[in-house]
Amino acid sequence: SAVISQKPSRDICQRGTSLTIQCQVDSQVTMMFWYRQQPGQSLTLIATANQGSEATYESGFVIDKFPISRPNLTFSTLTVSNMSPEDSSIYLCSAQTFRDSDYEQYFGPGTRLTVT
Amino acid sequence: AQKVTQAQTEISVVEKEDVTLDCVYETRDTTYYLFWYKQPPSGELVFLIRRNSFDEQNEISGRYSWNFQKSTSSFNFTITASQVVDSAVYFCALTLNRDDKIIFGKGTRLHILP
Repeated sequence: SAVISQKPSRDICQRGTSLTIQCQVDSQVTMMFWYRQQPGQSLTLIATANQGSEATYESGFVIDKFPISRPNLTFSTLTVSNMSPEDSSIYLCSAQTFRDSDYEQYFGPGTRLTVT
Repeated sequence: AQKVTQAQTEISVVEKEDVTLDCVYETRDTTYYLFWYKQPPSGELVFLIRRNSFDEQNEISGRYSWNFQKSTSSFNFTITASQVVDSAVYFCALTLNRDDKIIFGKGTRLHILP
């Protein structure tokens, strides 16, 4: 299994500011993903963080609002830019690991963001 | 398009009862993967199981069991002799490829009452 850590675990931010969330995996992984979970809702994929290239964003999410970095195979960051109260959510990092020609997908503990 | 439906929004059972969480999926692809995740009140997502579309064998892990039926596009999850610690939101999910996004159902909130 993979151990995924995220920083910060939670934050309260003022509208108009930006927050960068860090995701660290304890082993090299090919695929990393960023999800958003709004209060009481399911998980929605924001983007796939590709190593060595730009992230691939899902419909409704844009790079200007959610810039993503993936400098190596164990680390990624997600920035929530120009925040508004609607951005209050849990943001989760996810990574795929392969074992015995099969794979599993693990999630970090999440970053609980409140925008005031 | 792919879709995962968890019709049960919330379930409450008394401790030691058995409970089944339903999951119905939609896809036209013949190759896909199904997942179950648990999200306790602390918020982290805990991986429970992954099943690929070519393996219809049911699986049992302790008090947990999964029933995968392609004929009905269902992947149901049963907890036997439930415990208070099983209280959580449970998500069923689907992906078509290893490197692809996971599509989540809306989740079922399970309350185990002492």
